[in-house]
Amino acid sequence: AQSVTQLGSHVSVSEGALVLLRCNYSSSVPPYLFWYVQYPNQGLQLLLKYTTGATLVKGINGFEAEFKKSETSFHLTKPSAHMSDAAEYFCAVTDNYGGSQGNLIFGKGTKLSVKP
Amino acid sequence: DTEVTQTPKHLVMGMTNKKSLKCEQHMGHRAMYWYKQKAKKPPELMFVYSYEKLSINESVPSRFSPECPNSSLLNLHLHALQPEDSALYLCASSPPAGAAEQFFGPGTRLTVL
Repeated sequence: AQSVTQLGSHVSVSEGALVLLRCNYSSSVPPYLFWYVQYPNQGLQLLLKYTTGATLVKGINGFEAEFKKSETSFHLTKPSAHMSDAAEYFCAVTDNYGGSQGNLIFGKGTKLSVKP
Repeated sequence: DTEVTQTPKHLVMGMTNKKSLKCEQHMGHRAMYWYKQKAKKPPELMFVYSYEKLSINESVPSRFSPECPNSSLLNLHLHALQPEDSALYLCASSPPAGAAEQFFGPGTRLTVL
């Protein structure tokens, strides 16, 4: 079965510092990978996704992630943190392929705090 | 229109009440989902509808009853809930393709007294 591991339930950075949120997946086939952000008392918003092609994926709000098959990783980065980036971040993988919709398998989430 | 709407935003109900949550999307998506999210946890999948037919029920208690009246609407009927059912209930939709992301609504915050 698919699984997603997010290392670190809580990450704290200073404003302007590099953001690195880690995600590893287990899959016997190339997965589709997603990063979602959730602000307090809101739904989930897609930051970026990897399906096929270029392994460095750029998303909204200056975030990007790199798919590394050899490391089964899909870490999320942002060069310079902003106070507004404080939120919960979920990495997810789909568990179905071949044309029908996939059901998301979520990691446990990482809460990002940004210090002034 | 690229959003999923959910009503109500907040709901407080007693254990003997019957209430319904509503979700709507006008993006032409043919897959719709209900999730339950407890505090500091990821969303847990409850139900999946594909082309208005229930395709997945993740062993959810019968006090939760989903309904998909048409391709744009998804309801979740609630009856005889327990306090442990208090959570954020999220609706999502997606095109029927494996690589397609799910679009989430803002959720309904449910409190069962």
